Amino acid sequence: GAVVSQHPSWVICKSGTSVKIECRSLDFQATTMFWYRQFPKQSLMLMATSNEGSKATYEQGVEKDKFLINHASLTLSTLTVTSAHPEDSSFYICSARDGGAVGNTIYFGEGSWLTVV
Amino acid sequence: DAKTTQPPSMDCAEGRAANLPCNHSTISGNEYVYWYRQIHSQGPQYIIHGLKNNETNEMASLIITEDRKSSTLILPHATLRDTAVYYCIVRVNFGNEKLTFGTGTRLTIIP
Repeated sequence: GAVVSQHPSWVICKSGTSVKIECRSLDFQATTMFWYRQFPKQSLMLMATSNEGSKATYEQGVEKDKFLINHASLTLSTLTVTSAHPEDSSFYICSARDGGAVGNTIYFGEGSWLTVV
Repeated sequence: DAKTTQPPSMDCAEGRAANLPCNHSTISGNEYVYWYRQIHSQGPQYIIHGLKNNETNEMASLIITEDRKSSTLILPHATLRDTAVYYCIVRVNFGNEKLTFGTGTRLTIIP
């Protein structure tokens, strides 16, 4: 299947700082990428849908000014957690839609663990 | 997206076939059934999807009932590495339709 890569795999940052997570589609072009968050022992929660060249669409309850999403190219989307706080500590996962694949399948990255101290 | 119902947990002996059921009684005609799994601390992995015909790939088989109200994912010879949470999701397969995750089934393969 198609490959989606995230970086970094894990990051520790101080409270009040910002951290950027990158999501890349390695072998296909992704006009649409999705960002999820997952807390321990819970399911994935969609945060936003990112479309190349346009503004992201955020799910209800997700602060767009806190979770900045940029999808500047067909293979790269970034999520920046601004002014991070301990409650933002979570597993962040991106996914990308392979529009050229049979079934318009969505593939996921490996995830990024964020710990805010 | 239509809702799905899955048992919260299942056990299966190593080497046996693991059969994971999913109920999607409100599925609409243009919605596909997708299966993903998530091994601990990793991103979800795509397994298989189908519309109405049974599907098979190198990972699993997907059996969809004729009325499309339920389906079964079959892992033919389960190994310890198949221990994961399995998610059944229904979704239209065009446009920017997102994947909405439920709670899934936690499958444990027993040695």
